[in-house]
Amino acid sequence: DTEVTQTPKHLVMGMTNKKSLKCEQHMGHRAMYWYKQKAKKPPELMFVYSYEKLSINESVPSRFSPECPNSSLLNLHLHALQPEDSALYLCASSQRGSNTEAFFGQGTRLTVV
Amino acid sequence: AQSVAQPEDQVNVAEGNPLTVKCTYSVSGNPYLFWYVQYPNRGLQFLLKYITGDNLVKGSYGFEAEFNKSQTSFHLKKPSALVSDSALYFCAVRDATSGTYKYIFGTGTRLKVLA
Repeated sequence: DTEVTQTPKHLVMGMTNKKSLKCEQHMGHRAMYWYKQKAKKPPELMFVYSYEKLSINESVPSRFSPECPNSSLLNLHLHALQPEDSALYLCASSQRGSNTEAFFGQGTRLTVV
Repeated sequence: AQSVAQPEDQVNVAEGNPLTVKCTYSVSGNPYLFWYVQYPNRGLQFLLKYITGDNLVKGSYGFEAEFNKSQTSFHLKKPSALVSDSALYFCAVRDATSGTYKYIFGTGTRLKVLA
C-alpha cells in the first residue's frame, strides 16, 4: 500500500464553521506533513509531524490546528477560516531522513464562503 | 538560504520530441534533489531523486534527470514526449546537512505536449 488517503475530497464551509480534514497512510512512515496549495503555485509547508510530535509549524494562523493521533493518522482542524484560506490542502508522508521522497494524497479542495 | 528556480512557466513540445524542464538550485550544503508531477486536481507524484552517485538519474514513466554540480542544475528530461505527460512539474531540494524535513519547491513548470 503506497497510498496516502485524504478525506473529504471537497469541502465547503462557512467562516463560522468547524471542520476537520483527515489523512491516513499505512506505509509505516513516521513523518507526516500538511501543505497548502493555491492554484498554479507550489505547495507551501504548514506543519510537519515526526514520530507523532509536531516538528515544524511554519507560523500558521491558529485557526488551523493539526493533530496526529497515531502514526497512521493526521488531522487538520479548521475553525473561523477566511475566504483567502480557500485552497487545495495536501497531506504527505515520508520515511525519516532528508534523502527520502514524500508521498502525497490527492488533496482536499477547500472553499470558504 | 535554500532556493529552487524553474525559469520557465510553460514548456511546449510536440509529441514524440524530446523534452527538457529546467531547474537550478541553491543550498549551503549538499543537495538532495527531487522532481514531482501534478495532474489537475491531484496531489504530487514523485518522479525521481538525486541523492549521490551517478549524475544521471532514471525515474518513473521514462523520465530522467541530470545533476550538474558546477551549474547547480537538475534538469528533467524525456527522450520522447507523450500527450499524457502534460502536467505541472515541480523541482524540489532539501539540504542534506541541515537534517530538515522541509522541501523547498520551485514555482512549477507547466508542460504541454501537443499532438
